[in-house]
Order: sequence, then C-alpha cells, then structure tokens
Amino acid sequence: DAGITQSPRHKVTETGTPVTLRCHQTENHRYMYWYRQDPGHGLRLIHYSYGVKDTDKGEVSDGYSVSRSKTEDFLLTLESATSSQTSVYFCAITTSKNTEAFFGQGTRLTVV
Amino acid sequence: GEDVEQSLFLSVREGDSSVINCTYTDSSSTYLYWYKQEPGAGLQLLTYIFSNMDMKQDQRLTVLLNKKDKHLSLRIADTQTGDSAIYFCAETSDTGRRALTFGSGTRLQVQP
Repeated sequence: DAGITQSPRHKVTETGTPVTLRCHQTENHRYMYWYRQDPGHGLRLIHYSYGVKDTDKGEVSDGYSVSRSKTEDFLLTLESATSSQTSVYFCAITTSKNTEAFFGQGTRLTVV
Repeated sequence: GEDVEQSLFLSVREGDSSVINCTYTDSSSTYLYWYKQEPGAGLQLLTYIFSNMDMKQDQRLTVLLNKKDKHLSLRIADTQTGDSAIYFCAETSDTGRRALTFGSGTRLQVQP
C-alpha cells in the first residue's frame, strides 16, 4: 500500500458544511493525487500535487480545494458539501520513476 | 482528452481463462495498468506494462499490448472464485502531471 493512510474512512455530513479529507504517506513520494469513484465512471482526477505547495486541478475540481504544506500530507477540502459530492474518495501516489501507482483504502463520504 | 474504455461485465466458469479488454486513445501513454477492486476495498495494483513491450506474464496473469491499435488485454488463467472483482484498466504518460486515466471497470463474475 506504499504507506498511504486516508482519514476518515467514513463520514456523513450535511449539505453546506465544509469537509476535509486527509491523505498521509510515509515514503516521501513527490506526486500525490485525489480521485473520486462513482458507479459507471471509474476513477476521476480531482486535484494533484507535484510537490510541497505545488498543486493543480484535475477534470472534476469544481467545489474542491487542496493543500500540501508538507510532503507527507495532502488535504482535500469540500468548501460547501453538496449531495453530488457523495462518493468514494481515493488518494494515490506515483513512485519516483512513475512505474507504479498505489492507492489508499478510500474514504466513503455521504452528504445528506 | 484521453479516454479509456472497457466492457462492463464478463462471466466465466471456474477453471476457465478470463480475458478482459481495454482500449485507449492517448498515443503518448507510457505505462498501462491493471487494478483489481473487491467490494468495499481499495484498488490493488495487479500488473503494469511499459508501452515498448508487447507482453508481460506474471504467474496466472498475462498482459498483451497492441500499441498500433491501442488495445490492452488481461488474461487470467485458471480463473478462481476469488478472482471475482472489478478490474480497471488505466494509462499514464511519464511527462506532465503523471495522473492515471481510468476506464470505468469490468466486473468479472466467476461461477463455480
């Protein structure tokens, strides 16, 4: 699992509230990613980071922001949660030679 | 943009071979991956192939790559009930953001 830990693993929140998901890695990988998984869509890229304080948008970034103040932590924030953001969120890293990509166990988020 | 497509469902009998197919559009793809996801779990990296290879074998798994047709396949020999899962094809390049682009997954059902 390349030392990737996501927290929380499950969360239920109300529409309009902010939510922050955390991804923590222990192996000093430079590239980190946040994906969401929805039925029929596979995994879609929300945001990614290529170093401390270096982040960029993916294909489905609206309503999300990220921060990376330390190499080991990549935070995903839903600024004002909506029901359409109910999903399973996965954090990932790629190894330095980009030959392998590993995923965390996922966070199941329900927005009611 | 890049696109990866897979068939949605495959059913086989235990002991038979399974072949899961994938097509992609990005001609700059460098690495192609197969992931396995069991219910409620994260993504497990099964194998990957570099774009200058035609074939890779790893125990019961054989990956075939036809770069000209942008076609990737995963063959599972002697399929077992424990192989029942969703299988995702993904691709990435070794430049730029290095994020993976996923297909929507193929559900493999293995019947005893």
